[in-house]
Amino acid sequence: SQTIHQWPATLVQPVGSPLSLECTVEGTSNPNLYWYRQAAGRGLQLLFYSVGIGQISSEVPQNLSASRPQDRQFILSSKKLLLSDSGFYLCAWAGTPYGYTFGSGTRLTVV
Amino acid sequence: GDSVTQMEGPVTLSEEAFLTINCTYTATGYPSLFWYVQYPGEGLQLLLKATKADDKGSNKGFEATYRKETTSFHLEKGSVQVSDSAVYFCALMDNDMRFGAGTRLTVKP
Repeated sequence: SQTIHQWPATLVQPVGSPLSLECTVEGTSNPNLYWYRQAAGRGLQLLFYSVGIGQISSEVPQNLSASRPQDRQFILSSKKLLLSDSGFYLCAWAGTPYGYTFGSGTRLTVV
Repeated sequence: GDSVTQMEGPVTLSEEAFLTINCTYTATGYPSLFWYVQYPGEGLQLLLKATKADDKGSNKGFEATYRKETTSFHLEKGSVQVSDSAVYFCALMDNDMRFGAGTRLTVKP
């Protein structure tokens, strides 16, 4: 069966430190993968999506970047975190034409 | 472009009350429609879906009907429970997925 894993679950990082969040999918090949951010009490903001290895599309220019080094791996990064990067980060996989499957999320607090 | 507008919250109900969360959409094609639920501290889970006009999606006592004439996909439940407290997202999928802003539901005993 297909599953999606996302880690870590929570992270507290100081301003100016780097960031790396990882998402992996199992049980499928060549998935479309997505990174969303959810600020406190707000909706979902699409940050990046990828349709294949090395292919990244950015929806919102900002302090973050994404990479897809392997077919089923999607990484969200930052070289220097800002306070405004705090939020709940969700990875998602477009597994079928009938919706997305989401990871369990990473709560990032930048202090 | 395609978009989803859903009822702003927060919504607070007593246990066993009737729930409606309104959702309307704008789309140029023939999208599939979804409701996702997000429990505290968790990712989004698919609650129900409908892929064509007049389809009714249902799960865990929740229902929503794909109404093309009113471009709506309202979420309903006849008797809510405390465990239904969560954030609910309406979404459409045509070429890609578009989400509404989310509606926070709190059910009090």
